[in-house]
Amino acid sequence: DAKTTQPPSMDCAEGRAANLPCNHSTISGNEYVYWYRQIHSQGPQYIIHGLKNNETNEMASLIITEDRKSSTLILPHATLRDTAVYYCIVRGVDTGKLIFGQGTTLQVKP
Amino acid sequence: GAVVSQHPSWVICKSGTSVKIECRSLDFQATTMFWYRQFPKQSLMLMATSNEGSKATYEQGVEKDKFLINHASLTLSTLTVTSAHPEDSSFYICSARAKDSTYGYTFGSGTRLTVV
Repeated sequence: DAKTTQPPSMDCAEGRAANLPCNHSTISGNEYVYWYRQIHSQGPQYIIHGLKNNETNEMASLIITEDRKSSTLILPHATLRDTAVYYCIVRGVDTGKLIFGQGTTLQVKP
Repeated sequence: GAVVSQHPSWVICKSGTSVKIECRSLDFQATTMFWYRQFPKQSLMLMATSNEGSKATYEQGVEKDKFLINHASLTLSTLTVTSAHPEDSSFYICSARAKDSTYGYTFGSGTRLTVV
């Protein structure tokens, strides 16, 4: 399974867009990129996933580079409730497992 | 949407006793369930994968005789921590996936286990 690299922490002002980067340079052509977040002492919450094309849902947008070696999760208007640890995960096609890395702790500040 | 219920949310037990944690998919059939463990200020660590009706597949370093996993139906998986010790104190989280789901990894709310 391809590994991911994320910055350990980021700050964002409330109301502004939060852009969370993820590097997955060893990703295979048929592996999906998933984003989850975890608020303290809760189970991870699904945000979005994608393969090649950019994706958008009610929570966020996912921008995947053309070579698929990196991606960016965008929270368009961050709120204090978006403070959490965000995990970028490459899902193994054969195993179907989600292997979590260390994630990025996003702190949204007033 | 897909909902996974995990119980109990927290449990305290004495050393040497066993504790069972339940994970239920409420509105879908979970052909595959995953169990994770998370220590304070660390990421989730995958312990095992279970498919309905089959034996669980454990990750390297996870003792299968200590962490018993049963996935007897398409909506229920259980994790039993046997002969628990203080070092087993952790946050245990399950995840369920439907067979035909394009994304279907839904997580439970977790169980905080404290062994005293």
